[in-house]
Amino acid sequence: GNSVTQMEGPVTLSEEAFLTINCTYTATGYPSLFWYVQYPGEGLQLLLKATKADDKGSNKGFEATYRKETTSFHLEKGSVQVSDSAVYFCALSVPSEAGTALIFGKGTTLSVSS
Amino acid sequence: DAMVIQNPRYQVTQFGKPVTLSCSQTLNHNVMYWYQQKSSQAPKLLFHYYDKDFNNEADTPDNFQSRRPNTSFCFLDIRSPGLGDAAMYLCATSREFGRYNEQFFGPGTRLTVL
Repeated sequence: GNSVTQMEGPVTLSEEAFLTINCTYTATGYPSLFWYVQYPGEGLQLLLKATKADDKGSNKGFEATYRKETTSFHLEKGSVQVSDSAVYFCALSVPSEAGTALIFGKGTTLSVSS
Repeated sequence: DAMVIQNPRYQVTQFGKPVTLSCSQTLNHNVMYWYQQKSSQAPKLLFHYYDKDFNNEADTPDNFQSRRPNTSFCFLDIRSPGLGDAAMYLCATSREFGRYNEQFFGPGTRLTVL
């Protein structure tokens, strides 16, 4: 089946630290991969995406590279800010007869202190 | 701005009292989704519509139903809410099915069951 595994949180960092949140997946087809971010009390926002192997998605200083050989899509940022504190969800999308669902990981909470 | 709107943002209901959550979109997307997100968990797809075609996930309880009277609006009806139905309910849209199609999320409705 299709599934996403994220590193357990919470992740606690100081401002300007380097961030990595690990994400690995299993998929029956050829998935697209996504990172969504959820700020407190809000819905999910797409942070970045990649649709084929070796693609790099990037946005707001965050990056993730679609690694088919390791079935991974790790999220990185070189210098985090307090405003990056949120829950980050890795997700995949694989079409099926019934449509295209997003399969989410359990989420990783990031807390950045000044 | 084109967007996904959910009303109300917070809903309190009593055990067993029917409740309806509302979602509207100005994106003119064909697909609308309802997700349930319990505390500290990943969003879980309940069902979706492609235009007027309805698809229920296999493990969605019968207690949950949905209506899509037109392209812009979609409703989630919970016929007899139980304490276990307390959660954030997220509405999302996408232009089409397919692994390339990003899903756009509303801010969510947080449901409390007393």
